Amino acid sequence: DSGVTQTPKHLITATGQRVTLRCSPRSGDLSVYWYQQSLDQGLQFLIQYYNGEERAKGNILERFSAQQFPGLHSELNLSSLELGDSALYFCASSPPSGTVGTDTQYFGPGTRLTVL
Amino acid sequence: AQKITQTQPGMFVQEKEAVTLDCTYDTSDPSYGLFWYKQPSSGEMIFLIYQGSYDQQNATEGRYSLNFQKARKSANLVISASQLGDSAMYFCAMSRIYNQGGKLIFGQGTELSVKP
Repeated sequence: DSGVTQTPKHLITATGQRVTLRCSPRSGDLSVYWYQQSLDQGLQFLIQYYNGEERAKGNILERFSAQQFPGLHSELNLSSLELGDSALYFCASSPPSGTVGTDTQYFGPGTRLTVL
Repeated sequence: AQKITQTQPGMFVQEKEAVTLDCTYDTSDPSYGLFWYKQPSSGEMIFLIYQGSYDQQNATEGRYSLNFQKARKSANLVISASQLGDSAMYFCAMSRIYNQGGKLIFGQGTELSVKP
């Protein structure tokens, strides 16, 4: 158990719908990262937040958005869903800058999204 | 740009034997970290081991060791005394370190099967 929690574990929805994926980082971690894992694209970085602020952006579609709240938990919102959005979505967290192990990311169990 | 290459899509190893999973990387950054993650069939991503670009010694964590050859840009994972529970996908990844932006770039993975 990495200490990162994600809900829900599974999500089945239809094209055109909107869903919200939730993540709670490990206690004390300030950074939250979102990744998408699909068969054709592999593991792709989407976005990073650090202590509530967006720190880096990767291959995140405009239909996707994320935020990190004052309590440090995070949400990834996916809208106008398409069949190709079906994937495993991971949240990861890492310790604060300047602390031991700050560069290591610990992953949650993932949310498996199926778009029908 | 950073890139990770894993050239072995699948590998077999006999239980109790050692196995080496290959990983080569490309980056122009002087400060980077190299990581190995394990993904069992259940889907979670488990952090195994980390090597920093300035570390002089090869990293070890229990039965896992990272054979870091900087000049060759390789970061192979060695698993000693393989166990049936080691059967999984293994991903090599890299990121910038020292607060430069920590998104992970992943390789395509190697599927390891341990035979009894």
